[in-house]
Amino acid sequence: AQSVTQLGSHVSVSEGALVLLRCNYSSSVPPYLFWYVQYPNQGLQLLLKYTTGATLVKGINGFEAEFKKSETSFHLTKPSAHMSDAAEYFCAVSETESGGYNKLIFGAGTRLAVHP
Amino acid sequence: NAGVTQTPKFRVLKTGQSMTLLCAQDMNHEYMYWYRQDPGMGLRLIHYSVGEGTTAKGEVPDGYNVSRLKKQNFLLGLESAAPSQTSVYFCASSYSSTGSWTQPQHFGDGTRLSIL
Repeated sequence: AQSVTQLGSHVSVSEGALVLLRCNYSSSVPPYLFWYVQYPNQGLQLLLKYTTGATLVKGINGFEAEFKKSETSFHLTKPSAHMSDAAEYFCAVSETESGGYNKLIFGAGTRLAVHP
Repeated sequence: NAGVTQTPKFRVLKTGQSMTLLCAQDMNHEYMYWYRQDPGMGLRLIHYSVGEGTTAKGEVPDGYNVSRLKKQNFLLGLESAAPSQTSVYFCASSYSSTGSWTQPQHFGDGTRLSIL
């Protein structure tokens, strides 16, 4: 079974600083990878996804992530943090079930705090 | 646009009581999912459905039942609630197509359930 590890359950940055949220996955086949964001009292929203092709993926709100197969990583970055980026971020990988159906495996999440 | 709607948003139950959580989507999605979210554990898949009339077990199915009698609705039932089922429950849906797992899941805002 595949798994996702997010290093750091809490990350704190200053407004305007670089945001780096780490995600490593285990997979024996090329994965489909996703980053989701969850604002307080809301559901998850898709930030970006990697399926095939270009390894640098751009998402919404200025976020991007780079798929590095050799490092089995899919870290999320944003050059300059904004107060509105404070939220919880989840990395996820797709997994194929017997019968051909896929499902998402989520990491434990990283809570991002942005301070003035 | 309603997207994915969950009812109720909050509920407090006593141990042993039963209840049903309702999820409705208006995007004509084939796939629907129920997750639970607990601190430090990310989202864990309870059950999912790949079409009307079908259901399958996810990662943590024990103590829950589901039904998908209509394409737009996915019900999650707790027959005899236990304190360990205190959690936030999220419903999600996605398209079905070739390479369906490149399609993102769309989430509801969650149901906060407390079992006393």
